[in-house]
Amino acid sequence: GAGVSQSPSNKVTEKGKDVELRCDPISGHTALYWYRQSLGQGLEFLIYFQGNSAPDKSGLPSDRFSAERTGGSVSTLTIQRTQQEDSAVYLCASSLRGANVLTFGAGSRLTVL
Amino acid sequence: QQPVQSPQAVILREGEDAVINCSSSKALYSVHWYRQKHGEAPVFLMILLKGGEQKGHEKISASFNEKKQQSSLYLTASQLSYSGTYFCGFRNSGNTPLVFGKGTRLSVIA
Repeated sequence: GAGVSQSPSNKVTEKGKDVELRCDPISGHTALYWYRQSLGQGLEFLIYFQGNSAPDKSGLPSDRFSAERTGGSVSTLTIQRTQQEDSAVYLCASSLRGANVLTFGAGSRLTVL
Repeated sequence: QQPVQSPQAVILREGEDAVINCSSSKALYSVHWYRQKHGEAPVFLMILLKGGEQKGHEKISASFNEKKQQSSLYLTASQLSYSGTYFCGFRNSGNTPLVFGKGTRLSVIA
């Protein structure tokens, strides 16, 4: 597609439920990032995929968070047993190569009640 | 390691200048600057790959002091359209992820 597509745009869930957030990067982009942005906060790095290399998971805040990228394209971020502090906007970004310009998606706003 | 970014917020009148600073405790491979307007996704401004390099984007420019592990963003003759949150991002090597600072909220008023 022309840009990075994320879905859902908004998700409201109850504490303890699992959620999946999807990112469809720009075609041909080999690098894909997930960031989290809490209200008024910065861009918190979560995970980084680069080509066929093992992902850099150093930013995942707990073992409730996981992500995968199938076929080097679409990525899914999964949050298990959601907590209220997980409420945030989850942003996905992709680039042609790791060092290049990131194009961000519009984000998925997660609200945990 | 997250860049240390300052100031946290700044208010300018149209036509005034501002400087946003970012520093790292580790050696840097590249510096990236993004701007995020309210309710929108961050947008790329510029990338600096060499120590001492300066790049410009209209009236917005940046420097990268590799030795001091610092970068600064310069906004001159600010316009209302410059309002937003500015993020610096650092990579420590070609294989490490891009990690952003907490951002600087810039408000330009008439």
